[in-house]
Amino acid sequence: KNQVEQSPQSLIILEGKNCTLQCNYTVSPFSNLRWYKQDTGRGPVSLTIMTFSENTKSNGRYTATLDADTKQSSLHITASQLSDSASYICVVSPHYGGSQGNLIFGKGTKLSVKP
Amino acid sequence: DAGVIQSPRHEVTEMGQEVTLRCKPISGHNSLFWYRQTMMRGLELLIYFNNNVPIDDSGMPEDRFSAKMPNASFSTLKIQPSEPRDSAVYFCASSFGFRGLAGVSETQYFGPGTRLLVL
Repeated sequence: KNQVEQSPQSLIILEGKNCTLQCNYTVSPFSNLRWYKQDTGRGPVSLTIMTFSENTKSNGRYTATLDADTKQSSLHITASQLSDSASYICVVSPHYGGSQGNLIFGKGTKLSVKP
Repeated sequence: DAGVIQSPRHEVTEMGQEVTLRCKPISGHNSLFWYRQTMMRGLELLIYFNNNVPIDDSGMPEDRFSAKMPNASFSTLKIQPSEPRDSAVYFCASSFGFRGLAGVSETQYFGPGTRLLVL
């Protein structure tokens, strides 16, 4: 069964610290993996998209890594800011002949950055 | 660009009533997605359209749910009759992409969502 598991469920860190969020998936075959940031009460915003052939992608202080062999991805946040407080959702797209439907969503990691 | 526009932002209704959610995608985008988000199940893809045609509706929970896209700038998600378990936040998203190109990774832009409460 195609699944996406994220850990930890929630995380509290101090402003300025770094953190890493994990995403493990069992989706196969696999087309691409996305990380979204969702602020409370708002829609998700795309942070990174990686195809199966990429192993790292950066977006400012956010760096996503992908290991297609172990089916793991991580999202590393550097020098955290209060505005990083949000839920981070990992989404995996199976390879179904190009269709981008049937996305498999993780439940998200809720990050709280404290001053 | 105003981004993806959804209406209403909040809807409270009674069980058995018909609910219609509306979405205007970003101009020029040719794919539109309807999602539902709850605390228990997280985000779920309900249906998506490409060039106004429904491509995959396997996520639609049951016959009470229906979605239409009469033109490139408007889509509706209808629940009839509504039930308390339909209470959730419903998101619409759009992207520009080509169906059938394996590995193409289009960014989806989400609307602000409609928070639905069915009493």
